[in-house]
Amino acid sequence: KNQVEQSPQSLIILEGKNCTLQCNYTVSPFSNLRWYKQDTGRGPVSLTIMTFSENTKSNGRYTATLDADTKQSSLHITASQLSDSASYICVVSAVWGSQGNLIFGKGTKLSVKP
Amino acid sequence: EAGVTQSPTHLIKTRGQQATLRCSPISGHTSVYWYQQALGLGLQFLLWYDEGEERNRGNFPPRFSGRQFPNYSSELNVNALELEDSALYLCASSFGKAGGSDTQYFGPGTRLTVL
Repeated sequence: KNQVEQSPQSLIILEGKNCTLQCNYTVSPFSNLRWYKQDTGRGPVSLTIMTFSENTKSNGRYTATLDADTKQSSLHITASQLSDSASYICVVSAVWGSQGNLIFGKGTKLSVKP
Repeated sequence: EAGVTQSPTHLIKTRGQQATLRCSPISGHTSVYWYQQALGLGLQFLLWYDEGEERNRGNFPPRFSGRQFPNYSSELNVNALELEDSALYLCASSFGKAGGSDTQYFGPGTRLTVL
């Protein structure tokens, strides 16, 4: 069964600290993996997208890694800011069929405290 | 450049009624996707439209339907509303490149409440 599991479910950190969010998937065959940030009550915003051949991608203070062999990805946030408080969603796309076959994780809710 | 817009922002209906949600994609995007995000659950894929045609649908009953207009805007219809249809409905758009490698841009969502 194609699944995307994220951990932890929620996380509280102090402003300025770093954190790492995890994503494990069983989607096969694999096309790409995306990380989205979703502020409360808003639509998700894309942070990174990685294909099979990419193992790291950065977007400012966000760095995503991908290990296609172990089917794991992580999102590392450096020097967290209050505005980083949001849900972070891992999304995996399978090559079977066509666009629309995206499997979403349930997200990690990050709270950054002053 | 305007982003993806959705209307209405909030919608309150009663069981058995029909709901119509609307989405306007980013200019130049031909693909529109609909997702349901129920409380405590991840986003669930509903429908994908491209160039006016339904390309794929998720594991939802037929009372969830929609269409895409010539200007690429889209409408999601939910018939015979049930309490569990209460959720945030998100629309996303993209250029529709093959392979699913392009980025989807999401709208702010429509919060549907079924009483």
